[in-house]
Amino acid sequence: GESVGLHLPTLSVQEGDNSIINCAYSNSASDYFIWYKQESGKGPQFIIDIRSNMDKRQGQRVTVLLNKTVKHLSLQIAATQPGDSAVYFCAEISPRNSGGSNYKLTFGKGTLLTVNP
Amino acid sequence: AAGVIQSPRHLIKEKRETATLKCYPIPRHDTVYWYQQGPGQDPQFLISFYEKMQSDKGSIPDRFSAQQFSDYHSELNMSSLELGDSALYFCASSLSGNSYEQYFGPGTRLTVT
Repeated sequence: GESVGLHLPTLSVQEGDNSIINCAYSNSASDYFIWYKQESGKGPQFIIDIRSNMDKRQGQRVTVLLNKTVKHLSLQIAATQPGDSAVYFCAEISPRNSGGSNYKLTFGKGTLLTVNP
Repeated sequence: AAGVIQSPRHLIKEKRETATLKCYPIPRHDTVYWYQQGPGQDPQFLISFYEKMQSDKGSIPDRFSAQQFSDYHSELNMSSLELGDSALYFCASSLSGNSYEQYFGPGTRLTVT
């Protein structure tokens, strides 16, 4: 079946540097993408989202880029801080294969971001 | 602001036992989703309920069942537990079946010995 995946399982950066976390997706029908942050022992926390009709969306210190041509999604974190250390998941929202009004959220493989002081 | 509540937060069971996990959605949310996250894995969708009816089904084993009650809380019942069921179980809630805005609870860590 179609799935969402990440290129890098781990990323280690120095405090203050910018971080880039990448994600590849394969379901061309997906029309909405979300980045989640998951700290140890906690549930996924929404960071930022982007619709498929957009290429870029900026939040506070975070930017998500969407390249539909190559089905690639990235999360950029500016001035990475120790508190940013966590596992980051991309997720896609796609219509259920069986139709209906509900959509399905599919997580990709996480990337562990470690920020070194 | 009120968040999704899950109980218990930790649960230890033996093989072949049963377990019940509970989820209390954000007030006014009528949709609940259950996910299973194995060690080092991404969360896998199990099942969802909208207005007390099952709305979608993912990779939920036949040994598991779930339901949503009139107050919108949900329970995930797990029987004949296996070692491989050890995982974090997350519940998420949303409003009016809106999968786009799911709010996740802190999870229940189930350990099967």
